[in-house]
Amino acid sequence: DVKVTQSSRYLVKRTGEKVFLECVQDMDHENMFWYRQDPGLGLRLIYFSYDVKMKEKGDIPEGYSVSREKKERFSLILESASTNQTSMYLCASSQGDRIAGYTFGSGTRLTVV
Amino acid sequence: QKEVEQNSGPLSVPEGAIASLNCTYSDRGSQSFFWYRQYSGKSPELIMFIYSNGDKEDGRFTAQLNKASQYVSLLIRDSQPSDSATYLCAVNRRGGADGLTFGKGTHLIIQP
Repeated sequence: DVKVTQSSRYLVKRTGEKVFLECVQDMDHENMFWYRQDPGLGLRLIYFSYDVKMKEKGDIPEGYSVSREKKERFSLILESASTNQTSMYLCASSQGDRIAGYTFGSGTRLTVV
Repeated sequence: QKEVEQNSGPLSVPEGAIASLNCTYSDRGSQSFFWYRQYSGKSPELIMFIYSNGDKEDGRFTAQLNKASQYVSLLIRDSQPSDSATYLCAVNRRGGADGLTFGKGTHLIIQP
């Protein structure tokens, strides 16, 4: 069964901490994405990558960065966590030019206190 | 900002009836359209995708696309209580690698 694995289901971090969210997929997909999901705001794209070492800003990249050193791994970095970054973070991957649909990870619920 | 609009609901449908979920999108250049189902506390899972005008059927689900009206819908026949979830409409942003823009979802409740 194909999988997108997010390393943590729940995280609690302090304001100002540097936070790493990890995502690994085993489907050899080229494209990987980070979204956050908030009540009333839906899913919003933070960053995406269509190849190793490549990254593109999504709709809300401020306060975040990403790293993709290997095809299967896409990391989201909160440089200095703030309370407004408390959210559910979802990683997804997809294959090729024509999206056949994402496969999502199970999500990381991050609370910044 | 490209937009995808859905009625947030809740949409309440009796068991066994047809549930009809609707979505409009603003970008006429959009080519790929998706419906995801999300149970409470879970991540979204893909139900259907559609690229061409018309209907596409998969079991109890039918996706309908009208590009001229910029309108996508999802019909669920013989609705079951297990269909109770939030349904997310998604549209491609630009090329295939550029990700999807999601609507905020419609909360569907199937009443036994």
